[in-house]
Amino acid sequence: QSVLTQPPSVSAAPGQKVTISCSGSSSNIGNNYVSWYQQLPGTAPKLLIYDNNKRPSGIPDRFSGSKSGTSATLGITGLQTGDEADYYCGTWDSSLSGWVFGGGTKLTVL
Amino acid sequence: QVQLQESGPGLVKPSQTLSLTCTVSGGSISSGSYYWSWIRQPAGKGLEWIGRIYTSGSTNYNPSLKSRVTISVDTSKNQFSLKLSSVTAADTAVYYCARGGSRWLAYFDYWGQGTLVTVSS
Repeated sequence: QSVLTQPPSVSAAPGQKVTISCSGSSSNIGNNYVSWYQQLPGTAPKLLIYDNNKRPSGIPDRFSGSKSGTSATLGITGLQTGDEADYYCGTWDSSLSGWVFGGGTKLTVL
Repeated sequence: QVQLQESGPGLVKPSQTLSLTCTVSGGSISSGSYYWSWIRQPAGKGLEWIGRIYTSGSTNYNPSLKSRVTISVDTSKNQFSLKLSSVTAADTAVYYCARGGSRWLAYFDYWGQGTLVTVSS
């Protein structure tokens, strides 16, 4: 049981848009920055979004992040088959004094 | 470009201690205000943060693992290490080392490729 709650799976057609939600509490998302990671099959996670809505160099602007209250959302537009991956949200939890992650969301591009 | 590489035994017997080392290249482990973390992922499951270390030696651990975990750093070798004691089959996972884990530099921006550790007799 993960501290942060994500939907197990989402799907959409190529070229469409999808959003992935991440729900937490005031001890984590509500008072800390959220980051998002993409994990392609058989590879290590890759940083997609940090500080709720910033993209590292090299990440296309098709990927976006937002946060409101105790929830965060990852958005992906112009879906490509190469976007099929598992996506994880993560943040610091002030009560646990440690990092917590969501359970992950598997994106299928139909 | 910072690179991280995990190393250590791929097979550990139950009740023994799992030991892994992460070697950092392309930059000094002591530069910048970065923490260095260990994260694991059981097959088919999500990410679990194990703990972090600052180059001063200050550590924080996941409360669920705290009694069994030790993370240390060797700045002269540009390495940091993980020891997990009294392992069981539940500790079988891919173990990643990563740069990050601060509340304020709140992301993990560089990851090792991961190393599979199996706990079995």
